[in-house]
Amino acid sequence: ETGVTQSPTHLIKTRGQQVTLRCSSQSGHNTVSWYQQALGQGPQFIFQYYREEENGRGNFPPRFSGLQFPNYSSELNVNALELDDSALYLCASSLGGAGGNTGELFFGEGSRLTVL
Amino acid sequence: GENVEQHPSTLSVQEGDSAVIKCTYSDSASNYFPWYKQELGKRPQLIIDIRSNVGEKKDQRIAVTLNKTAKHFSLHITETQPEDSAVYFCAARSRDNYGQNFVFGPGTRLSVLP
Repeated sequence: ETGVTQSPTHLIKTRGQQVTLRCSSQSGHNTVSWYQQALGQGPQFIFQYYREEENGRGNFPPRFSGLQFPNYSSELNVNALELDDSALYLCASSLGGAGGNTGELFFGEGSRLTVL
Repeated sequence: GENVEQHPSTLSVQEGDSAVIKCTYSDSASNYFPWYKQELGKRPQLIIDIRSNVGEKKDQRIAVTLNKTAKHFSLHITETQPEDSAVYFCAARSRDNYGQNFVFGPGTRLSVLP
């Protein structure tokens, strides 16, 4: 059984650029959630995908978007990067249903984004 | 939507003493409350959880209690060890317009002093 993997682990971008972060879910999991964790804070829910469709979204602007693929892997895209987007981006997979996340979250190691 | 508060933000205890971290939540419909441990530079990992139909759960040195009426839940660690030093997050599974999702507290940095 493979765990949740994320790439890249670290990256540096400049303000206004775009970034794509990738996540492979744990074997057998069909739901992927993305969280933003600023330094010294708890994870903040960005959105969730189930069966390739977004089925939950937190208080983040539309420039945060995502995809889920048939193999349940996922991408997080952020356009027009701002300095405040600097954070650790965590992907979590779980076994969910159409009504939302019903199971334990398994986190990846995260992608640390620095925006200069 | 759901709001989760967590106290204290930092906690220092002597090795062997107990540590207690408390969380409150706002949405009475929340039904699942996990606790995650995050060591420096590592991923959050589930250490214990409790569902709304249970008042207490214990796993060796770790226990969680839930008071649904007061909408608060607590993590108890007994006989603390240096390797318990980490940031601990509580969370509540809430329901929004789409379905159920997790809301996390701001975290408690626990330091166990040898």
